[in-house]
Amino acid sequence: NAGVTQTPKFQVLKTGQSMTLQCAQDMNHNSMYWYRQDPGMGLRLIYYSASEGTTDKGEVPNGYNVSRLNKREFSLRLESAAPSQTSVYFCASSSTIWGSGNTIYFGEGSWLTVV
Amino acid sequence: KQEVTQIPAALSVPEGENLVLNCSFTDSAIYNLQWFRQDPGKGLTSLLLIQSSQREQTSGRLNASLDKSSGRSTLYIAASQPGDSATYLCAVRSQGGSEKLVFGKGTKLTVNP
Repeated sequence: NAGVTQTPKFQVLKTGQSMTLQCAQDMNHNSMYWYRQDPGMGLRLIYYSASEGTTDKGEVPNGYNVSRLNKREFSLRLESAAPSQTSVYFCASSSTIWGSGNTIYFGEGSWLTVV
Repeated sequence: KQEVTQIPAALSVPEGENLVLNCSFTDSAIYNLQWFRQDPGKGLTSLLLIQSSQREQTSGRLNASLDKSSGRSTLYIAASQPGDSATYLCAVRSQGGSEKLVFGKGTKLTVNP
C-alpha cells in the first residue's frame, strides 16, 4: 500500500531558486497537509487543504504556496528559496479535518537544503 | 494557544524494561490525541489515537492513556526491545483549531541490548 507519497526525497537548491514538492495519497482522503520539521522546533503546519478545492494557511505559510490539484494531489511550491527554508518537509492526509476519530498519515519526508 | 510538552527529551533503557513516556497539553478542549513513532530519516507512523471520550487505547505492547482534565497522556511500552528505539511524538487536535495538530518535540528512546 503506497499511502502518502512525496517527491523528491532529497533536493539542494540555491538561494532564489524555485521548486515544487509533490504529494499524492491513495486513501481517498479529503484533507491534506504540509508540515515542516526543524530541530528544536518540532513539526509546524505550513498549509492545509480541508477538501478538494480549498486551501488555508497554517502556522508558518510565508514563502510558500500550495495547490490542491485534485483529491489525490497537494503540492507545495517555494517561489524563491531562502536558507531559512532548509528543513524536512512532510505531507500528510486524513479522512477529514473534523471529528475525533481521524488518524493522520504521513509521507516519508523530503529533505530540502537551500545554500 | 495549545502547547504540547514531552518529558523526558531522551530516555535510555535496557532491553526488557517497561517504560512510560509522558505528554502534557495546556488546553483540555481536544478532539483527540495521537502518538507517533519516527525512525531516523523516516516519516511519522501513527501508533495509537485516543478520542476525547476515551481513557485509553491498546495495541500489542503499547498502551496509551488520556486524562483530559489534567492535560496528560502517557504511552506505556511493555517489555521494551531494541527495535523500539525511535523518537516518539504526541500530537493533539484541538477543538478550537481542528485543522491543526499541535505536536510535542518528542522523546528519543534508546533500548540497549
